[in-house]
Amino acid sequence: GENVEQHPSTLSVQEGDSAVIKCTYSDSASNYFPWYKQELGKRPQLIIDIRSNVGEKKDQRIAVTLNKTAKHFSLHITETQPEDSAVYFCAAGLRQLTFGSGTQLTVLP
Amino acid sequence: NAGVTQTPKFRILKIGQSMTLQCAQDMNHNYMYWYRQDPGMGLKLIYYSVGAGITDKGEVPNGYNVSRSTTEDFPLRLELAAPSQTSVYFCASSYNIWEGAGLSTQYFGPGTRLTVL
Repeated sequence: GENVEQHPSTLSVQEGDSAVIKCTYSDSASNYFPWYKQELGKRPQLIIDIRSNVGEKKDQRIAVTLNKTAKHFSLHITETQPEDSAVYFCAAGLRQLTFGSGTQLTVLP
Repeated sequence: NAGVTQTPKFRILKIGQSMTLQCAQDMNHNYMYWYRQDPGMGLKLIYYSVGAGITDKGEVPNGYNVSRSTTEDFPLRLELAAPSQTSVYFCASSYNIWEGAGLSTQYFGPGTRLTVL
């Protein structure tokens, strides 16, 4: 089955700086790669997703890049704000999603 | 639309007890999922369903059962609760045009926090 590894597990940045979270996956058949944000005690919420026929996707301050050859994808958040502080999960799959173990992002004011 | 709803929000069970976690969605989504999230970890898929009457196992199905008699409801049954089932359980749903189109956005419910003592 699919295996997704996510790094780093914790990340602290100064407000206004950029944050990058990286994930690798094992199953070359996976074609859907979403990123979820989860605030403490809340449900995961989709922030951006990408399919295998696209190399990069951007939505305002958030972007995701996908390298199918290397089987890794990354989340980029620019101009970070304190409200970006949360746990971020990557996931990958074809018929079902396998999630990474999460990155606790802290944006310091 | 209420989206995906789950009941109860919290529950404490004794070892060996049984319970059903309820999940409902009003978005006419065909796919539904059950995940568990252990403290500080990612989500693991327990069971999923691609439509009424069709269910399949995920990564961690042991100790659980599901049924899908309607498009809207997807209950999760725990038969003999064990401490290892202490977790937060999330139900999710998505609309998939057809299986070959691949996965699409999954919308999560608020979760059920279950403790087994």
